[in-house]
Amino acid sequence: EADIYQTPRYLVIGTGKKITLECSQTMGHDKMYWYQQDPGMELHLIHYSYGVNSTEKGDLSSESTVSRIRTEHFPLTLESARPSHTSQYLCASASFSAGGYTFGSGTRLTVV
Amino acid sequence: QQQVKQSPQSLIVQKGGISIINCAYENTAFDYFPWYQQFPGKGPALLIAIRPDVSEKKEGRFTISFNKSAKQFSLHIMDSQPGDSATYFCAARYAGGTSYGKLTFGQGTILTVHP
Repeated sequence: EADIYQTPRYLVIGTGKKITLECSQTMGHDKMYWYQQDPGMELHLIHYSYGVNSTEKGDLSSESTVSRIRTEHFPLTLESARPSHTSQYLCASASFSAGGYTFGSGTRLTVV
Repeated sequence: QQQVKQSPQSLIVQKGGISIINCAYENTAFDYFPWYQQFPGKGPALLIAIRPDVSEKKEGRFTISFNKSAKQFSLHIMDSQPGDSATYFCAARYAGGTSYGKLTFGQGTILTVHP
């Protein structure tokens, strides 16, 4: 079944650790996005990609980085996690012909 | 500036009532307006969407009304049910230039339907 997967679902990690949040989709979508969502609900775009080897920063400044080496895979990395990075991270994908995004279930990150 | 303003922030409705969530936008380069529904612990899921050449779209109990001249659109949930309790986001897709396809989201509305 075509879908978008995020792992891990929950992560508690210590300050200063390097982490990678995984996002994979099986729909062959060209476009992929990372959003940060705090308890206040708003979705903030932090990174996006329109294809392999294409990555752009989003509207909200983020210390994270992303890569797009394969169409289906769009991981997000934090080199040194801080408590301010505590949030929910949502990955989404879309094709150029489709209208809306398909979202993953998210990774809830807690940095202690 | 790509902005979509959503109201109200929270909404409480009795079972069987009508839930109405409103959104307004400023950028005329938007060409597609989806609504997303998000349950706790889940990612947002596409609920219903409309293009600006249509004034209304209905799918089951969910209806989008679109007013192009006023740059406003709204979601109506008829016969609201407790299972509709969720956070709802409106969005607008940018149709121009290097930002083509990017969705700008509203601030979200927490809907609670009491039994």
